[in-house]
Amino acid sequence: DVKVTQSSRYLVKRTGEKVFLECVQDMDHENMFWYRQDPGLGLRLIYFSYDVKMKEKGDIPEGYSVSREKKERFSLILESASTNQTSMYLCASSLAGALETQYFGPGTRLLVL
Amino acid sequence: GDSVTQMEGPVTLSEEAFLTINCTYTATGYPSLFWYVQYPGEGLQLLLKATKADDKGSNKGFEATYRKETTSFHLEKGSVQVSDSAVYFCALSDRDNQGGKLIFGQGTELSVKP
Repeated sequence: DVKVTQSSRYLVKRTGEKVFLECVQDMDHENMFWYRQDPGLGLRLIYFSYDVKMKEKGDIPEGYSVSREKKERFSLILESASTNQTSMYLCASSLAGALETQYFGPGTRLLVL
Repeated sequence: GDSVTQMEGPVTLSEEAFLTINCTYTATGYPSLFWYVQYPGEGLQLLLKATKADDKGSNKGFEATYRKETTSFHLEKGSVQVSDSAVYFCALSDRDNQGGKLIFGQGTELSVKP
């Protein structure tokens, strides 16, 4: 079975802190994704990566950056956390291609005070 | 741009009732369509998918048919169980998009009462 793990289930940070969210997949997938999930808005894509060291902006990249130094790991960075970044963050991975199933981690619920 | 619209929730049903969750889409190309489910406290998992017009996806008693003429992919189940309580997301992937990006609807919460 594909396994996607995220470093934390719950995280509480203060405004202005730098926040790292880590995601690791164990199935040698080429594609990795970061979404945020908010009530009534569904999932919105922040960034995705289709190869090591490659990244593409999604629909809401402002205030975020990403890093993919190894194929299995994709990090989301909040350079200076703000209260409007309080949300559920979901990581996913998939094989290359538009028709492939995305496999999701359990999510990190981030609260920024 | 491409978009997905789902019926608003929450939807509350009694056990063994019939379920329909409506999903319509707008796409310039020929998308593939997906239903994902999120059980409480978990990430999303694929429920079913369809890759071309008139395809029917099915899994765990759920079905959805890709209707190009009505740009719809409605989710149905004949008899729901308490264990089906979850949030359901409709999504599309354009065949031409780079990197396999998905566009999600806003999600529909389903609550099934005994």
